[in-house]
Formats: sequence, structure tokens, C-alpha cells
Amino acid sequence: NAGVTQTPKFQVLKTGQSMTLQCAQDMNHNSMYWYRQDPGMGLRLIYYSASEGTTDKGEVPNGYNVSRLNKREFSLRLESAAPSQTSVYFCASSEAVVVVEQFFGPGTRLTVL
Amino acid sequence: GEDVEQSLFLSVREGDSSVINCTYTDSSSTYLYWYKQEPGAGLQLLTYIFSNMDMKQDQRLTVLLNKKDKHLSLRIADTQTGDSAIYFCAEFNNAGNMLTFGGGTRLMVKP
Repeated sequence: NAGVTQTPKFQVLKTGQSMTLQCAQDMNHNSMYWYRQDPGMGLRLIYYSASEGTTDKGEVPNGYNVSRLNKREFSLRLESAAPSQTSVYFCASSEAVVVVEQFFGPGTRLTVL
Repeated sequence: GEDVEQSLFLSVREGDSSVINCTYTDSSSTYLYWYKQEPGAGLQLLTYIFSNMDMKQDQRLTVLLNKKDKHLSLRIADTQTGDSAIYFCAEFNNAGNMLTFGGGTRLMVKP
């Protein structure tokens, strides 16, 4: 099992460009999450999907959209990238929202110039 | 809102014990967690404790929870160079359906 995979690993964008970060899990988990990690601030939840067909805002949703394409895949879209969105983005999954463990992908390092 | 605080940095010698501390503000937290992040990687769950417990031991790891003071600690016995990483404290709140993470403590283990 690959666990949680993310593409791309690195990306550089110019201000105003758009892009989609992809995430997939092969553990048959119901819930999936997108976080951003900034130095000294830990991880902050952007959006999550409790189950296929549902998405909800997290702590910092502004500037982002998500799509739960199917049970395996959960994508994060930046429509018009801003330098404040420079960060490392992590996708995670869990069997359900109220469970002990979330499994994390390796991250995508995004720089917006 | 909820807030989880950790010190930024801890340095210990190989073989010593490490103690990483965390404070949180949400008294309705149900689970509290310790995650480990190695360079260039995602987070891995190390251990967790349910809010009605005071202590949990798992091999070299001991978690202590003081609910009155909203203080969580992680003790690593016989710290090894492979334990060098960033350690994140996190809490789960049923009402918010989300994990809230601290800023992380970078542990450096000197040989």
C-alpha cells in the first residue's frame, strides 16, 4: 500500500496563477483533509471531507477550493495564487473524522512569487 | 478559539531523557496526540492519550496529562540520534471535528 500520495512534490507559481494539488489514498478511508504548514505555526486545517460527497471549511479556507472526486481522491485548488499561500501543504486521511489517527502524505512545497 | 502552545527547541545528549511540553486551552478536548515529523516528510502519529487518562506508557515514550492545568508532556527515555525531529502536540475537539496543532518542538540529539 502506498498510503497517502501527493503530487507535485514542489511547485513554483507566479502571483495570480492557478493550480491544483492532488491527493490520493489507498486505505479505503472515508475522511480526507488538507493542511498547510508554516514555520512555527504547526499545521492548520484548510478544508476537510468527512465522507465522499461532502466538504467542509477548516480554520483557513480563504483562497482555496476543494473537490472530493471519489472516495480515494481529494484535490485542493488555488484559483489565483498569492505570496501568502507560500507554504507546505499536507493531505491526510482517516477512517472517519472521529478517530484516533490521521495518516499524512509527504507534502507539497509551494512557493508563490 | 483553541490554542496549543509548545516551546520551539530542545537539545539533549544521546542517552538522556527528553521532555517535550505542551499547553492547550480547550477543556473539552477528547483526545490529545503527539506526532513526529522527520525532515522532508509528513507527520506520523507517535502516541495519543484519551482525556480521562493521566498517563500512558508505550516502550520509551511516556505521556503525562494534567487536565486541571491543561498541560501535556512527552518523555522520551534513552533518547537516540534517530529521535531528532520536530514533535507536534495536537488536540481533537468533537464539536469542531478537527485537530488543532501546536507549532512544534524541534528536538536535537547530540552524540
